[in-house]
Amino acid sequence: DAMVIQNPRYQVTQFGKPVTLSCSQTLNHNVMYWYQQKSSQAPKLLFHYYDKDFNNEADTPDNFQSRRPNTSFCFLDIRSPGLGDAAMYLCATSSWTPGDRGGYTFGSGTRLTVV
Amino acid sequence: SQKIEQNSEALNIQEGKTATLTCNYTNYSPAYLQWYRQDPGRGPVFLLLIRENEKEKRKERLKVTFDTTLKQSLFHITASQPADSATYLCALLYNNNDMRFGAGTRLTVKP
Repeated sequence: DAMVIQNPRYQVTQFGKPVTLSCSQTLNHNVMYWYQQKSSQAPKLLFHYYDKDFNNEADTPDNFQSRRPNTSFCFLDIRSPGLGDAAMYLCATSSWTPGDRGGYTFGSGTRLTVV
Repeated sequence: SQKIEQNSEALNIQEGKTATLTCNYTNYSPAYLQWYRQDPGRGPVFLLLIRENEKEKRKERLKVTFDTTLKQSLFHITASQPADSATYLCALLYNNNDMRFGAGTRLTVKP
């Protein structure tokens, strides 16, 4: 089945130690997103790629970076994780053509713990 | 800035009844409004999409309405079942690929 896969499901990292979360998709969607979701809160958009074009949200901290080396893969790099960065990180994809939008397909998420 | 409010944090109903969830927003209307289901510890799952020029959309036991004058969407689950228990998120999608979520309503359907 076509899907969005996030690895790992659970990640524990030390305060200040760089960490990378990965996302892959077999849907061939042209748009990929990273969301941060804290307990009982709305998913918050960090950034998205439309093809290779990177779009950063104005309030996304500089500590968060992303890479999309090809259509299938997207990475979230947290350069110096703080305790406040502990959250569920969700990757999503969508297929965007002018005038035609569908739902987003989400991965199962990576739960990040900072110790 | 745009605010999205879902009617309540939690909604409890009896099996077989219709659950009605509300999503209100401020400012400008989105091109599309979507509803997602999210189970604990999992990513959201897409349920329905409605366009700004559509009034109503149905899919099996689900119905969504969209009123751009009231700036409101209603999400209905008819003949609810315990398996429908989850958090339901509304999301506003704009033409610039910007999608914003509400915080969700946690629905519990009791047998």
